[in-house]
Amino acid sequence: EVQLVESGGGLVQPGRSLRLSCTTYGFTFGDYAMSWVRQAPGKGLEWVGFIRSKAYGGTTEYAASVKGRFTISRDDSKSIAYLQMNSLKTEDTALYYCNREPAIWGQGTMVTVSS
Amino acid sequence: EIVMTQTPLSLSVTPGQPASMSCKSSQSLLHSDGKTYFYWYLQKPGQSPQLLIYEVSRRFSGVPDRFSGSGSGTDFTLKISRVEAEDVGIYYCMQGINLPRTFGPGTKVDIK
Repeated sequence: EVQLVESGGGLVQPGRSLRLSCTTYGFTFGDYAMSWVRQAPGKGLEWVGFIRSKAYGGTTEYAASVKGRFTISRDDSKSIAYLQMNSLKTEDTALYYCNREPAIWGQGTMVTVSS
Repeated sequence: EIVMTQTPLSLSVTPGQPASMSCKSSQSLLHSDGKTYFYWYLQKPGQSPQLLIYEVSRRFSGVPDRFSGSGSGTDFTLKISRVEAEDVGIYYCMQGINLPRTFGPGTKVDIK
């Protein structure tokens, strides 16, 4: 069964860092681009960023709101995608979803940025 | 950045009755490969988004045939032929032709 499982969320102070993981199962991870999408409490969906497969250079793209602070990476040997979040702001508080476009979503991991 | 707008923002429907919602994009979603990279998702309460429709009108695996998508270019419509109680939630449209990916604000559907 194809599955994405996010982990690593929690409560963190503004300005600190956090790394999220997306562990995948049931497909050849290295063949696919992976995305991160977030949803602030009671709000809509916001695309965070994207990492291409190695076949397409493994390059990354980011939303303007996180560019320069967030970094997406991947470990194809472990079938895991990562979201490194630095210089966190209160407005980064959200449920963070891992996504294999267009159909596969994880259950999300909650990040709360608060002092 | 492509802006996605949805109407209405909320919809209250009687079970068994049809429902319709619209999504418009600020740019054409028709790619040079002939595909239109437009999607509909449903986020049921407390759940992750689930794909309903891809490439405007293709129902994803397991999606009931009461859901249908139509449209082209910049204007798209999702129709539910007979709404059921399990269809409540927020319906989002998304464009997949450009980065950043962008979503509409959502249409919240509830049952009368």
